[in-house]
Amino acid sequence: DAGVIQSPRHEVTEMGQEVTLRCKPISGHDYLFWYRQTMMRGLELLIYFNNNVPIDDSGMPEDRFSAKMPNASFSTLKIQPSEPRDSAVYFCASSLNQRGGRTDTQYFGPGTRLTVL
Amino acid sequence: AQSVTQPDIHITVSEGASLELRCNYSYGATPYLFWYVQSPGQGLQLLLKYFSGDTLVQGIKGFEAEFKRSQSSFNLRKPSVHWSDAAEYFCAVGAYGSARQLTFGSGTQLTVLP
Repeated sequence: DAGVIQSPRHEVTEMGQEVTLRCKPISGHDYLFWYRQTMMRGLELLIYFNNNVPIDDSGMPEDRFSAKMPNASFSTLKIQPSEPRDSAVYFCASSLNQRGGRTDTQYFGPGTRLTVL
Repeated sequence: AQSVTQPDIHITVSEGASLELRCNYSYGATPYLFWYVQSPGQGLQLLLKYFSGDTLVQGIKGFEAEFKRSQSSFNLRKPSVHWSDAAEYFCAVGAYGSARQLTFGSGTQLTVLP
């Protein structure tokens, strides 16, 4: 299996620009997660989906952030407009529902390092 | 709300020495606990997990962890460290008795000396 795929791996943009991060989960997985990692706040869960439906977006920092999952093999995280404080590494992870979520294992992608100038 | 504390920001050990990374959690019910490792520029890889049963859990790469409810701890151990173990290690707890909503600790950076 190819694992979780994220693109781009690195993104440098200017403040005010729209940024779109992409994720392809492991085939057959029914849960998808977006995380953000920063030095100050560590690793935070932003949002997660089940069968393409957003379940909990309470970690999304602001309305500037939005996430979609149009099908089982693709998800996007969009920031519009971007700000320097959005600079971070964004991870996507996926898992397969087992026993009501009690024993799910999340598999992480390599991350996208975003720099907003 | 659940929380995880990793008291050691940075640990340095010599190759071949034993290793213990500390993790303390706060959670009102039976926790689901995880250890992940992150190598530079890479995503997180699961080392091991605890859901129930035997409190000593074996993982990949020769790692093990012991769940101690009385101490609210889930420390990671390895008897003999290899240079390739240098990485950042994260402890996480599953919220609401689930492995889906994970809360991560701040991480421990491991340096291995030759």
